[in-house]
Amino acid sequence: SQTIHQWPATLVQPVGSPLSLECTVEGTSNPNLYWYRQAAGRGLQLLFYSVGIGQISSEVPQNLSASRPQDRQFILSSKKLLLSDSGFYLCAWSVLDREQYFGPGTRLTVT
Amino acid sequence: GESVGLHLPTLSVQEGDNSIINCAYSNSASDYFIWYKQESGKGPQFIIDIRSNMDKRQGQRVTVLLNKTVKHLSLQIAATQPGDSAVYFCAENSGGSNYKLTFGKGTLLTVNP
Repeated sequence: SQTIHQWPATLVQPVGSPLSLECTVEGTSNPNLYWYRQAAGRGLQLLFYSVGIGQISSEVPQNLSASRPQDRQFILSSKKLLLSDSGFYLCAWSVLDREQYFGPGTRLTVT
Repeated sequence: GESVGLHLPTLSVQEGDNSIINCAYSNSASDYFIWYKQESGKGPQFIIDIRSNMDKRQGQRVTVLLNKTVKHLSLQIAATQPGDSAVYFCAENSGGSNYKLTFGKGTLLTVNP
């Protein structure tokens, strides 16, 4: 069966520090991968998606970036965090245009 | 269950009652719809999906209804249980080679014992 992992589960970082969040998927090949951010009490905002290794589409202008170095690995990064980057970050995978399956999320607090 | 402003719409029901959560979608070209359940501090969990060539689909204790004329989607939960308490999101896919989902703002369901 397929499994999606995210780490770390929680993170507290000072403003201006770098960020690296990792997502890995097991049990499937060539999945579409997605990064979302969710503010408290709000919906999901799509940040990036990828349909293959090295293929990244950005949905919103921001100081975040994403990379997909391997088929089942998706990384969200920032060189300098802003207070507004705080939120709940979710990784998801799907096959073609079917339902997306979400990871457990990373709670990021920028102080 | 319509989204209004910055606050999640809420629905409070008694245990054992049926719940109906509504969603208005935006894109008339959307051909695939999904309902997700999100418990506090966790990632969204897939509940049920429906394609635009259907108007009703049933799962275990859940039914999704699709009205394409008015671009409306609903999730019905039968015999609601305390474990059903969560935020429920609808999502739509506009099809083609675009594999993205657009999510609604969510509805908070509270089940009172």
